[in-house]
Amino acid sequence: DQQVKQNSPSLSVQEGRISILNCDYTNSMFDYFLWYKKYPAEGPTFLISISSIKDKNEDGRFTVFLNKSAKHLSLHIVPSQPGDSAVYFCAASLYGGATNKLIFGTGTLLAVQP
Amino acid sequence: KAGVTQTPRYLIKTRGQQVTLSCSPISGHRSVSWYQQTPGQGLQFLFEYFSETQRNKGNFPGRFSGRQFSNSRSEMNVSTLELGDSALYLCASSPGTRGLSGYTFGSGTRLTVV
Repeated sequence: DQQVKQNSPSLSVQEGRISILNCDYTNSMFDYFLWYKKYPAEGPTFLISISSIKDKNEDGRFTVFLNKSAKHLSLHIVPSQPGDSAVYFCAASLYGGATNKLIFGTGTLLAVQP
Repeated sequence: KAGVTQTPRYLIKTRGQQVTLSCSPISGHRSVSWYQQTPGQGLQFLFEYFSETQRNKGNFPGRFSGRQFSNSRSEMNVSTLELGDSALYLCASSPGTRGLSGYTFGSGTRLTVV
């Protein structure tokens, strides 16, 4: 049972435009969410997180939006750059992130075209 | 400071054999978590060790086991290998007090079972 879903396996965007990556979850107990970026042959690297007490968090070009009623979160990258091309994973956690167990989605491959 | 080190980087094993993977966490980190990444399944949580004790466990069969040593280095073992065990195995270390701050992944061990 996939509790965290990323329904788009891939996304292609032009350089300079906005990239929007989506993630849905089914477990209403999740209360802390994270986005990771992964290049081939490397481990995932942390991008941005959001607690369920917020609906938006920004860090530079990256913004995460959380819609608790829809059990949906999205990652916006503006403007997109070729170096952003990677696989993006969303992940969920319990207890406000006070646990080292993460539930990951299946990932979305983002390709930013120059 | 050195990152999370996983050895070996690549491994080829035959069905029925067993394998041991190693993870050296960031200096000072006491928690090590293990994940399996397969195409279409994303990252799936295997288990977490903290202070030589298993603190969290995922939904994997008993063929998957792990341990942690007093210097926080961790090993995971898979016995009676199956073709479906072919995957990228990732470990992540963190300071260990509950929370995801500092949660850092290694580059993984690519296991191929033939």
